[in-house]
Amino acid sequence: GENVGLHLPTLSVQEGDNSIINCAYSNSASDYFIWYKQESGKGPQFIIDIRSNMDKRQGQRVTVLLNKTVKHLSLQIAATQPGDSAVYFCAERVGDYKLSFGAGTTVTVRA
Amino acid sequence: DAGVIQSPRHEVTEMGQEVTLRCKLISGHNSLFWYRQTMMRGLELLIYFNNNVPIDDSGMPEDRFSAKMPNASFSTLKIQPSEPRDSAVYFCASSSPTGSSGYTFGSGTRLTVV
Repeated sequence: GENVGLHLPTLSVQEGDNSIINCAYSNSASDYFIWYKQESGKGPQFIIDIRSNMDKRQGQRVTVLLNKTVKHLSLQIAATQPGDSAVYFCAERVGDYKLSFGAGTTVTVRA
Repeated sequence: DAGVIQSPRHEVTEMGQEVTLRCKLISGHNSLFWYRQTMMRGLELLIYFNNNVPIDDSGMPEDRFSAKMPNASFSTLKIQPSEPRDSAVYFCASSSPTGSSGYTFGSGTRLTVV
């Protein structure tokens, strides 16, 4: 499953498929980006981060891609599982400390 | 490590009452952030402390809101008097001096003002 349009609020994906969540950021001076996962009733949970001097970073089943030219960030989840159902937020660090969050994408995994 | 701990998890109060939200940071973290989350506005930064000192409170909505950090491991966010529009989920988050691995969030306090 892939939400090719930026800012789409929902993504439905079949269990076992790969997911791609997209995010546009606003500040070309942002130097650090984070993806968070938020499950119902819980706080945002760190998934993966990337600094602006990189364009790709991989974790366990997740990959973050950064395209500074078009100010675009994406999160790829391999072999999506039911436990991946959540709201996913991208965040950019503006200045030394301030995280600015996107609106979030709700991912629903179909069994 | 127990992570960032917030209390209470839920708070229901009447308009006009004082509300105090509490947060315990992760040991060794020196930065503390209070965020508010609503459906309409998403996650908004209210205030940022570094080494117990408030650095940026530009997100605090009005004088009814105040935050303190009496020591390196604990913070409070107070709303006095509370109003129905303050209803939201309030999160605190902390980060280490290196800022690595993002910011760790607590589980939040769901505040309902009736």
